[in-house]
Amino acid sequence: LAKTTQPISMDSYEGQEVNITCSHNNIATNDYITWYQQFPSQGPRFIIQGYKTKVTNEVASLFIPADRKSSTLSLPRVSLSDTAVYYCLVGVNFGNEKLTFGTGTRLTIIP
Amino acid sequence: GAVVSQHPSRVICKSGTSVKIECRSLDFQATTMFWYRQFPKQSLMLMATSNEGSKATYEQGVEKDKFLINHASLTLSTLTVTSAHPEDSSFYICSATGTPTNYGYTFGSGTRLTVV
Repeated sequence: LAKTTQPISMDSYEGQEVNITCSHNNIATNDYITWYQQFPSQGPRFIIQGYKTKVTNEVASLFIPADRKSSTLSLPRVSLSDTAVYYCLVGVNFGNEKLTFGTGTRLTIIP
Repeated sequence: GAVVSQHPSRVICKSGTSVKIECRSLDFQATTMFWYRQFPKQSLMLMATSNEGSKATYEQGVEKDKFLINHASLTLSTLTVTSAHPEDSSFYICSATGTPTNYGYTFGSGTRLTVV
């Protein structure tokens, strides 16, 4: 799996839009980009997945530039409940391929 | 969506005893199960991969005789920590992939193991 690099931590105020960028310079042609959210003492939860351009669902948007060497997770109007660790992973739509987690980004929302 | 049920959520055991953690896929067939360990403030570390009916493949540095993994059916995998020691205290998480599933991996809720 391609190695990913994310900021270790970020702080944001409630109601703001938060953008977390992940670098994956060695991404392969068949790789997808997937983001997970993890709360303390819980398993990771799938947020969003994309291959190129932009993907949007009910909780987030994922922006992927043409070279696909980075991606940005965008969380609109965050609330305190969005305080969590966010992981960016890259792989071949996974299947039974093992996932390797990077450091993740610890997002803290400030009231 | 796909759900993986993991039990127990937390367990305390005495040093030297064994503990079994179960993961069940509730609405899909888990052909592959992954077991992770997570220490406080750290990321998830993959311990082993198991395919239904086959022996598990362990990551480098993980003792296969200490962390016994059984994946005898398409809906159940177990991790047994044998002769547990305080340094085995950690958060253990399972993940499953199989059919049908839309986005690859589904994670269990994790098990907090404390060895005293």
